[in-house]
Parts: sequence; structure tokens; C-alpha cells
Amino acid sequence: EAGVAQSPRYKIIEKRQSVAFWCNPISGHATLYWYQQILGQGPKLLIQFQNNGVVDDSQLPKDRFSAERLKGVDSTLKIQPAKLEDSAVYLCASSTHPGASNTEAFFGQGTRLTVV
Amino acid sequence: DAKTTQPPSMDCAEGRAANLPCNHSTISGNEYVYWYRQIHSQGPQYIIHGLKNNETNEMASLIITEDRKSSTLILPHATLRDTAVYYCIVRGGNKLVFGAGTILRVKS
Repeated sequence: EAGVAQSPRYKIIEKRQSVAFWCNPISGHATLYWYQQILGQGPKLLIQFQNNGVVDDSQLPKDRFSAERLKGVDSTLKIQPAKLEDSAVYLCASSTHPGASNTEAFFGQGTRLTVV
Repeated sequence: DAKTTQPPSMDCAEGRAANLPCNHSTISGNEYVYWYRQIHSQGPQYIIHGLKNNETNEMASLIITEDRKSSTLILPHATLRDTAVYYCIVRGGNKLVFGAGTILRVKS
């Protein structure tokens, strides 16, 4: 089966600019996650969707970050305006069963964002 | 979700078994132990998970102590391509919360 697709792979922007990342999860996966991974650290969950509804966005800096998952399939994550500390890899993941802890999540390759 | 404790780094000789420990003393009865790894410049890759019984798949074995307060991931014959950061995660819902992980260096 096709994996989680993310684009772009790399993005360089200046601070105060805006940027958007796209994720296409594995077909049929109800749960979608966005993570931020700063160099040298483990991934940090930003937001979790169940179909097209938000389950958890407690770690999402809502003054500048937004995410949506229209129609419960693809998702976009936006940063506006970007700050230097937003430089990180943004990972998207998906899993099958809503609410199940006995099912693995599959990750995309990530988008590496550099803010200069 | 319960917290996990892992050593920051480990070395292993190529061809030998790599045994990666993880402590999760506050794990509760319905929480699973998951292992992921992340090779440089790639997204995390699922390895294995278990509840209380030992598990084995084509990649690794997972040994969970009887009291479930710790576990060990075993890569039976480590290769240079197994060099990665290994994350032990306790999961009791649909969340997946990562810690800092263990950097495993496989050396020839």
C-alpha cells in the first residue's frame, strides 16, 4: 500500500513569511497527526484529527499555526507568520482505528522547514 | 500516557544482538508498549508493540517484564543500517507521545 505522502520535502522562508505543508495519509486511515521535530529532539505532537474533527490541539501554537483536514482525507498545516524557532521537520502520520491504542501509526518523510 | 526512560545512547558491534532497555514504571493495565526507530532524515518507522506477552516479528523481539514496568527491544543481528534513534513509547489511547529516545550506533 502507498505510504503517507508529504510535500514539499524542503522549504526555506524568511521570518514573518507564511508557509503551508500538505499531507495525504494512507487510504482509509481515520486518524491523522502532525508533529514538529526540532533538531536533536523527539517528535512533538501538534495536532491530531479523527476524520475531519480535531481530537487534540493542546500543543499547537494557535496564534500562528493552523491546520485543517477537509473531507477527512488530506490535511494542510500552515504557519503565519513564521519565526526562527519554527525551523524544524514537520511530520505527518496516520493510523487506522479511531480511539485504538493497539494499532500502529505510519509516518511520512517529513518536510524540513528552515526559517532565516 | 505513562512516561518512559531510555539510555541516551548505546553502541553495538555489527552482527551481534542489540538490546535496548526501556523503563515505564507508571504504565497502567491497558497501555501498550510501542517501539519506533528513526533513521537520519527519515520519518519514524514502526518496529513492534505489545501489551504483556513477548512479541516477535521480522524486525525485532519485544520482551516485557512480568510486572510490565520495563521492556527490552532486541535486534537479533544488528547491521550498520540499524544505526538510528530508537523510541520506546507507552500508548494508552490514540496519542503517540515521543521522548528523546536512544541513539543506537552499530559499528563494524
